[in-house]
Amino acid sequence: DTAVSQTPKYLVTQMGNDKSIKCEQNLGHDTMYWYKQDSKKFLKIMFSYNNKELIINETVPNRFSPKSPDKAHLNLHINSLELGDSAVYFCASSQTWDSRNTIYFGEGSWLTVV
Amino acid sequence: EDKVVQSPLSLVVHEGDTVTLNCSYEVTNFRSLLWYKQEKKAPTFLFMLTSSGIEKKSGRLSSILDKKELSSILNITATQTGDSAIYLCAGASGNTPLVFGKGTRLSVIA
Repeated sequence: DTAVSQTPKYLVTQMGNDKSIKCEQNLGHDTMYWYKQDSKKFLKIMFSYNNKELIINETVPNRFSPKSPDKAHLNLHINSLELGDSAVYFCASSQTWDSRNTIYFGEGSWLTVV
Repeated sequence: EDKVVQSPLSLVVHEGDTVTLNCSYEVTNFRSLLWYKQEKKAPTFLFMLTSSGIEKKSGRLSSILDKKELSSILNITATQTGDSAIYLCAGASGNTPLVFGKGTRLSVIA
């Protein structure tokens, strides 16, 4: 069973479109995250939710909107896609908000904006 | 601002070589340091280090934390082509998200 699963795995879309990436974890964790990994492989936190509550919102354009319908799901919606949004987006989860807990990553969603 | 710096950024070695990857950190209220291996997909967890001077070992990989020097090293002995990956280091403070370094890209050639 995949612990953290995200869909779609690959997404190619045109500038200006709106797209969503879904994430689900079956680990019973309280905390979920979205990370963005750029072309230079730098992994940076975007959002973090703990028990469906937003607790971290880094400097991310407001075109990015996370939604957590329950603590097992954290979806990422992106409006008006731009070329610079092309990246790999990783969903992740951890037992609690304490970041000393191991973070488990999904396999990534490769977004290409053309 | 918290930061984690890894060196070298990339490294090419031959099978059988031993490599040492470096990580230095400046993390407010530092609690632990984590190492991840990223191949083609998601980062996978390797080690979590919280105490200085205690080596953690898993097969040919080992890692140690030096809180005095604010640094950690990851050693890989007898490298194999399957060790080729990006190795990510991250600092944890306990109440803020992990701060990742930019990674070291290791290439092991036969």
